[in-house]
Amino acid sequence: SQTIHQWPATLVQPVGSPLSLECTVEGTSNPNLYWYRQAAGRGLQLLFYSVGIGQISSEVPQNLSASRPQDRQFILSSKKLLLSDSGFYLCAWSAGLATDTQYFGPGTRLTVL
Amino acid sequence: GNSVTQMEGPVTLSEEAFLTINCTYTATGYPSLFWYVQYPGEGLQLLLKATKADDKGSNKGFEATYRKETTSFHLEKGSVQVSDSAVYFCALSDQGLNTGRRALTFGSGTRLQVQP
Repeated sequence: SQTIHQWPATLVQPVGSPLSLECTVEGTSNPNLYWYRQAAGRGLQLLFYSVGIGQISSEVPQNLSASRPQDRQFILSSKKLLLSDSGFYLCAWSAGLATDTQYFGPGTRLTVL
Repeated sequence: GNSVTQMEGPVTLSEEAFLTINCTYTATGYPSLFWYVQYPGEGLQLLLKATKADDKGSNKGFEATYRKETTSFHLEKGSVQVSDSAVYFCALSDQGLNTGRRALTFGSGTRLQVQP
C-alpha cells in the first residue's frame, strides 16, 4: 500500500531564517506531487505541483520554492522566511494522469516568529 | 475560474442527529467532486468522491450526490457520532488534462462539532 510521510511535524523558525520541508511517498512510482498551505481557519491553497523529477510548476508567486530531486521526494524551501509563511503545510500525491484523487500526508505546522 | 462554496460553520449537533453540509461549485467542464475530512492536528483524509453527474459517493455512513443541474455536492449522514467531529472540505478537480496538473480547488471547510 502507499504511504506518504512529511517531516518535521512541527517547526518554529525566526523571521529571515531558511526553511526545508520534506515529503516522501512509498509504494508507488512516478506520482504527481503537490504542496498546499492551509492558513489558520481557512481552506487549502495550492503552492506547487510536480509531474516528474525536476519538473516544478508554481501556482502562487512568493518566497517559497520547491524541488523534486528523486521520483518520490518533494521538498519545499525558502531562503528567508516571512511572518506570513506561518501555516500548516500539506504534501499530497496522486497516481499521475489516471486519477484525480489526491492523498495527503500528515502535514507540517510551521510557526514563524 | 473554478470555485467551491461551503456553508460556514461551526455546525453543532447532538449525537444521532442528521447532518447536512452544503457545497456548491462553479467549474468548466465536468470535474470530479470530493469530500475530505480533517481531524485536529492531522492531514486530510479522502471521505468520498463522485466522478460524474448523478453519481453518489458514500463511505462510513456519509453520502453525497453529484447534482449537475444545481452544481451541488451536499454531504449527508443520517446519524452523527462524537467521533465525526472534524473539519470537512468539499473540493473539485482541475481540468488540466494535458498537463497532469489535476489540482484540487477546495472550499474553506466546515467545522462539525458533535455533542454527546
